[in-house]
Amino acid sequence: LAKTTQPISMDSYEGQEVNITCSHNNIATNDYITWYQQFPSQGPRFIIQGYKTKVTNEVASLFIPADRKSSTLSLPRVSLSDTAVYYCLVGDGVNYGQNFVFGPGTRLSVLP
Amino acid sequence: DTGVSQDPRHKITKRGQNVTFRCDPISEHNRLYWYRQTLGQGPEFLTYFQNEAQLEKSRLLSDRFSAERPKGSFSTLEIQRTEQGDSAMYLCASKPGQEFYGYTFGSGTRLTVV
Repeated sequence: LAKTTQPISMDSYEGQEVNITCSHNNIATNDYITWYQQFPSQGPRFIIQGYKTKVTNEVASLFIPADRKSSTLSLPRVSLSDTAVYYCLVGDGVNYGQNFVFGPGTRLSVLP
Repeated sequence: DTGVSQDPRHKITKRGQNVTFRCDPISEHNRLYWYRQTLGQGPEFLTYFQNEAQLEKSRLLSDRFSAERPKGSFSTLEIQRTEQGDSAMYLCASKPGQEFYGYTFGSGTRLTVV
């Protein structure tokens, strides 16, 4: 069971780039890294997923070093609407359930 | 299909009453998951279905909780003899079976036990 560790909270200002790092020292060979975003009173929303190196989509970038023991979610030029909780999870993509664990996440506050 | 739907959005019940929640997943998703989330915590896994088969239940799940997915489409989660500690947001999520996709979550049902 790969456990993840993230900062509990972060503050940023509008227009800045935000990087949230997640540690997953026990990641298994078959595990992917997935990030979710959650706004109050809503379910989490899938942001990005990767296995190694760098992945980029229209919302974020995910950087994964060669040893895969950590990953960094990068949000370019954040706005007030990016204020949310961000969760990092690792799992093999097939055996979800008890082995796909949400921690408390990182609470990002974007200030004007 | 507009995503995962959950009903009701909010439920207030008295302690000791039974409650039932419904989840309608994305139609082509054969896996359906129930999670519970309390304030300040991440979602906690409860159970999941592949089609109509319940494949996994949390070891921490009380026997007052039961879930069904009778025709492999919608699912219900029932809590019997509710307790104040059951107050939480109950989230449903679905995903395709074997392919690696993230969950699609519904907006949840917020339960308050008074």
